[in-house]
Amino acid sequence: DAKTTQPNSMESNEEEPVHLPCNHSTISGTDYIHWYRQLPSQGPEYVIHGLTSNVNNRMASLAIAEDRKSSTLILHRATLRDAAVYYCILGVGNQFYFGTGTSLTVIP
Amino acid sequence: DTEVTQTPKHLVMGMTNKKSLKCEQHMGHRAMYWYKQKAKKPPELMFVYSYEKLSINESVPSRFSPECPNSSLLNLHLHALQPEDSALYLCASSQEGLAAQETQYFGPGTRLLVL
Repeated sequence: DAKTTQPNSMESNEEEPVHLPCNHSTISGTDYIHWYRQLPSQGPEYVIHGLTSNVNNRMASLAIAEDRKSSTLILHRATLRDAAVYYCILGVGNQFYFGTGTSLTVIP
Repeated sequence: DTEVTQTPKHLVMGMTNKKSLKCEQHMGHRAMYWYKQKAKKPPELMFVYSYEKLSINESVPSRFSPECPNSSLLNLHLHALQPEDSALYLCASSQEGLAAQETQYFGPGTRLLVL
């Protein structure tokens, strides 16, 4: 069974914020939440990760629910280059458990 | 340098062939991973090497044989593959492979077609 669930696809207008949701209701206290994205014909690329607190970096923000059973990846201003499949991943022990991914379409 | 390189980029092989995929990183990482990715699916973990020792084998068929000659190199030897093994094979590395918070750096993958 998948440890994370994500919507199959989402759309966003260019230069608008995007909120990508992820549910991970069986998360344990030591499991980390990672987000990666994958462009066509490329390997997955790191976006952001966190444990309990919200996180910000130059690419995105990660908002983690207080009970840690869900999280949201926030892209503050979507660009055409952000069109990709976004994976919500649980880091458990020394393994990554990938969700099924959300395909993000950015509309010019 | 945060690059993981993989060769070849594309590979076509028959079911009786023997071939190898190669992965290399020069970030000083001590953990390396092989993943298999089918079209429109997430990557699936195959093997994990930590400090040049195989630490995880996700019940992968023996026609896939991993090898880690040193901490910078990871090979995947292929023999007697089936058409359903056609996929994108991704290599990744991380600092030590011992912690859930480590960032994994992925290569671009080798696209394999088995005829």
